[in-house]
Amino acid sequence: SQKIEQNSEALNIQEGKTATLTCNYTNYSPAYLQWYRQDPGRGPVFLLLIRENEKEKRKERLKVTFDTTLKQSLFHITASQPADSATYLCARALDSGNTPLVFGKGTRLSVIA
Amino acid sequence: GAVVSQHPSWVICKSGTSVKIECRSLDFQATTMFWYRQFPKQSLMLMATSNEGSKATYEQGVEKDKFLINHASLTLSTLTVTSAHPEDSSFYICSAGGGETQYFGPGTRLLVL
Repeated sequence: SQKIEQNSEALNIQEGKTATLTCNYTNYSPAYLQWYRQDPGRGPVFLLLIRENEKEKRKERLKVTFDTTLKQSLFHITASQPADSATYLCARALDSGNTPLVFGKGTRLSVIA
Repeated sequence: GAVVSQHPSWVICKSGTSVKIECRSLDFQATTMFWYRQFPKQSLMLMATSNEGSKATYEQGVEKDKFLINHASLTLSTLTVTSAHPEDSSFYICSAGGGETQYFGPGTRLLVL
């Protein structure tokens, strides 16, 4: 079975710096990798999706990459702000939004002013 | 954007009672909805896939007679925790498939005393 691993449980960075979060997967390559933000006591909020044939996706201060050779996705937040502090979840999907997601454990990001 | 609501947002019940949680897609129709459970400091774990008009598909280890799922319309799925016990206390989150991704509800915190 496929596993999604987010090795860093927590990451602390200074405001204004770029935060980089890592997501690794094992076995077969997922069709999609998705990144979500989750605040305490709330459901995940969709941020970005990248397909296996795409190398990079951007949305405002967010950037995600997909390296099928390394079996890894990197999630970057540039010019980080304290409001970016949250848990970020990586998830894989085999197909569209109508297939179940398998989540990593998440990385709790703290942006320090 | 797509909005998914859950009701109630939190519930406290006595051991042995049943609790129903509703999940609604407010501005789109969802043939497929998903139910996840999240324990403290853990990631989301898929419990079941709910298909409109047909039986739900449960993940291994999830008791279908204990967690009853009904997907009666394209905008509503319900999860009923029957004969709840303290170990069922958790954060229950639903999602609805929308295009390439899923949209999550805000979650329901269940505490069984």
